[in-house]
Amino acid sequence: DQQVKQNSPSLSVQEGRISILNCDYTNSMFDYFLWYKKYPAEGPTFLISISSIKDKNEDGRFTVFLNKSAKHLSLHIVPSQPGDSAVYFCAATDSGGYQKVTFGTGTKLQVIP
Amino acid sequence: DTGVSQNPRHKITKRGQNVTFRCDPISEHNRLYWYRQTLGQGPEFLTYFQNEAQLEKSRLLSDRFSAERPKGSFSTLEIQRTEQGDSAMYLCASSGGTDYQPQHFGDGTRLSIL
Repeated sequence: DQQVKQNSPSLSVQEGRISILNCDYTNSMFDYFLWYKKYPAEGPTFLISISSIKDKNEDGRFTVFLNKSAKHLSLHIVPSQPGDSAVYFCAATDSGGYQKVTFGTGTKLQVIP
Repeated sequence: DTGVSQNPRHKITKRGQNVTFRCDPISEHNRLYWYRQTLGQGPEFLTYFQNEAQLEKSRLLSDRFSAERPKGSFSTLEIQRTEQGDSAMYLCASSGGTDYQPQHFGDGTRLSIL
């Protein structure tokens, strides 16, 4: 069963506009959520995280929002840049830390110049 | 910070052969993880070491798979009697000593079974 779901396999956005990537989860025991970015032929790179006790975390152009009641989180990228074009993985952990991470299937973002 | 290093980058082998992959974590990291990623999927957790101790294994890690981290530094993942379904990208990651350090991934070893 897919405990972390990213229902949009791909997303195209114009440069300078906002990119919104969505993620849903089913395991109510998840206590930390993470976003990773992956370029072709490279391993995933950590982007941003949020604890389940918060509803928002911001780092520069990246903001993650968490809605626990809806079991939903989203990653906002503002403004989007061509270099943001990559596959974005939503991930979660229920181990009280970042040890055992459950990943979603990814959303491929294309930022069009 | 030289990053997480995985070797080889690609491995092509015949079904039934044994293969071994190596992962060298970031030097000061005491936690090391193995994941498997198949086409169209996210990475799936396989196992996790803290220093030389293997603390958790996924049910995905059948008895044909074995991972070691003999001196708490590099790690090896061996697959015996490979099957077609083992074709995947095998990713290694490492992290620092506290619970909330994000994992840093290597670029993976792509395994193709003929």
